[in-house]
Amino acid sequence: ETGVTQTPRHLVMGMTNKKSLKCEQHLGHNAMYWYKQSAKKPLELMFVYSLEERVENNSVPSRFSPECPNSSHLFLHLHTLQPEDSALYLCASSQVGGGQGYYEQYFGPGTRLTVT
Amino acid sequence: AQSVTQPDIHITVSEGASLELRCNYSYGATPYLFWYVQSPGQGLQLLLKYFSGDTLVQGIKGFEAEFKRSQSSFNLRKPSVHWSDAAEYFCAVGALTAGGYNKLIFGAGTRLAVHP
Repeated sequence: ETGVTQTPRHLVMGMTNKKSLKCEQHLGHNAMYWYKQSAKKPLELMFVYSLEERVENNSVPSRFSPECPNSSHLFLHLHTLQPEDSALYLCASSQVGGGQGYYEQYFGPGTRLTVT
Repeated sequence: AQSVTQPDIHITVSEGASLELRCNYSYGATPYLFWYVQSPGQGLQLLLKYFSGDTLVQGIKGFEAEFKRSQSSFNLRKPSVHWSDAAEYFCAVGALTAGGYNKLIFGAGTRLAVHP
């Protein structure tokens, strides 16, 4: 595997279900991100982990729970979601620190989530 | 506050025609600028980036972009469009944060259709 991978690619879940999205990066980066992409809305940053520590929680409802067990893996645990949570969830990774300044983010293919 | 505006929601061009997608940004310091492309059902792929130096940057797939500080613009261009270029294009500005990660602010995107 290369780049950033996400599983599953598609997920349909009921409002009472519990599921998890998985992201893995093979780029040696030390920061990982979750974004939500809804129809007709700009990409929304949800969570950021830098050096395995959560550094951003962008006012996301508690029914979304991230987990970053190491610098290569990122999870998004979902429970009691609402239909308006249906969206494409994108994971990204980047390098941080090191004195260069800014580093670009690399994105995975996304998980298309439908909440019924 | 930082923001990115992509004035054109949809653009349609004929195959072989030239293309210019507009992007304007609002950012207090020297910006880090990006163009990403998203094909249907896929994640975001980095086309090109501007950090400093030459204001005309070359990217993948024959794309280029020009940074114009006086106009706060970073327009994307391609001299001859191919049918495979049909996709959604996102302009983004990056910012370093005190939280120790690299923040990306995206525009709403421009959807490109290519006629044969």
